[in-house]
Amino acid sequence: KNEVEQSPQNLTAQEGEFITINCSYSVGISALHWLQQHPGGGIVSLFMLSSGKKKHGRLIATINIQEKHSSLHITASHPRDSAVYICAVRLTSGSRLTFGEGTQLTVNP
Amino acid sequence: NAGVMQNPRHLVRRRGQEARLRCSPVKGHSHVYWYRQLPEEGLKFMVYLQKENIIDESGMPKERFSAEFPKEGPSILRIQQVVRGDSAAYFCASSPVTGLGTDTQYFGPGTRLTVL
Repeated sequence: KNEVEQSPQNLTAQEGEFITINCSYSVGISALHWLQQHPGGGIVSLFMLSSGKKKHGRLIATINIQEKHSSLHITASHPRDSAVYICAVRLTSGSRLTFGEGTQLTVNP
Repeated sequence: NAGVMQNPRHLVRRRGQEARLRCSPVKGHSHVYWYRQLPEEGLKFMVYLQKENIIDESGMPKERFSAEFPKEGPSILRIQQVVRGDSAAYFCASSPVTGLGTDTQYFGPGTRLTVL
């Protein structure tokens, strides 16, 4: 069983829809990251969370430390949001990031 | 993630050759991480380095792989005697000098290694 599980693995939406991607983890963490990987392969760090909620534009990330769960929301989705979204955690016992398998999001016009 | 440079962006090697991947972190960052993404798989940690020190290499294969981050110059990931299974995207990330657990890691564009 992976230490970081994401759902869904694949998600197709129509432009304008509200998107939610979930991440659950089974280990103690010091921080959780949400990353975006575009078809060209480059990786962008969207958020780093250790508690609560963060918002940037149409993106919102939340984390519940007690439940070991995080969500990434995209409001008013757009085709340019199509990418792989990756959840990664930094364990309290070290410095490495451990990654989920990613969620492939496709937003159709 | 602006500022992390990796080169080359694409590298083709024949089996048995050596591959050298370079990573220049964000200016002022002294912590570098290397990750590997095999085809159709997720990212996996390889090694964490500070200037002139390897801090955590628990994700590195025991043979053929080595990494360094000298006092001057980029971090280098070296793969000797490459095999087809080494074909992957190799990403470097850097974080600020404090290296605390809550530091954001800034990712480079990656080097895509193809072994023929």
